[in-house]
Amino acid sequence: GQQLNQSPQSMFIQEGEDVSMNCTSSSIFNTWLWYKQDPGEGPVLLIALYKAGELTSNGRLTAQFGITRKDSFLNISASIPSDVGIYFCAGQFSAAGNKLTFGGGTRVLVKP
Amino acid sequence: DADVTQTPRNRITKTGKRIMLECSQTKGHDRMYWYRQDPGLGLRLIYYSFDVKDINKGEISDGYSVSRQAQAKFSLSLESAIPNQTALYFCATSDKSGGAYNEQFFGPGTRLTVL
Repeated sequence: GQQLNQSPQSMFIQEGEDVSMNCTSSSIFNTWLWYKQDPGEGPVLLIALYKAGELTSNGRLTAQFGITRKDSFLNISASIPSDVGIYFCAGQFSAAGNKLTFGGGTRVLVKP
Repeated sequence: DADVTQTPRNRITKTGKRIMLECSQTKGHDRMYWYRQDPGLGLRLIYYSFDVKDINKGEISDGYSVSRQAQAKFSLSLESAIPNQTALYFCATSDKSGGAYNEQFFGPGTRLTVL
C-alpha cells in the first residue's frame, strides 16, 4: 500500500522559533492535508492543499503541495506553547474515494 | 455539544473478550470511518461506510467488524480481543465527496487496552 514518511518524528521548540516538518510519499496524491492532534482529542484539519505547487497559509502556518505530488511540507512561524501536539500529514488520491493515508506524525514538544 | 462522540473513552479488557466501540454523529454526514492510531504509525483505516448500506474494509480490517445501525451511528467490534489491538481508536465522518476533498471530522478517541 501507499506509504507516507513524515519527518522529523519529534522536535523541541522554543517560543518564537520557526519550525518545519515534511512528508514524502512513494505514490502521488491529488490532495495533501495537515492535521493537528492535541492530547486527549482527535485530529483537527489545519490546511488542505489541492494543487501541485500550491502554497497555502493559515495564520502562522504555511504548507506547500510539492510539484511532483509526492511531498508536502508544513512550516510554523514564531512558535508558541500551544503549538505543542502531534502533527500529521495525510494524502488522498481521488480514485480511492475519500480515503486518507496518514504519515506517522511529528510530535512537537517545548524545550525544557 | 460535540458533533462526533465516541463511547467509551477508555476501556481495559482481557484477551478473548468481545468489545464494542460506539460512534455517533450529529453532523448529518453520510460517510463514517474507523481508524486506529499507534505510536509512530499515524492513523490507519480499519473500516469505512459511505452510507447505511455500504460497508468497506480498510487497510487493517482483520480481527474487526462494524455495524452501521443508522446514518448517525457506526460501531466497531473486536470479536475476540488480543493484546496487539491495544491502541487509540478514532471515528470520523465526512460529507459526500463532490470531487475535491471533503474534510473528515474526528471524534475524541477511545483508548483501548487489551491485557
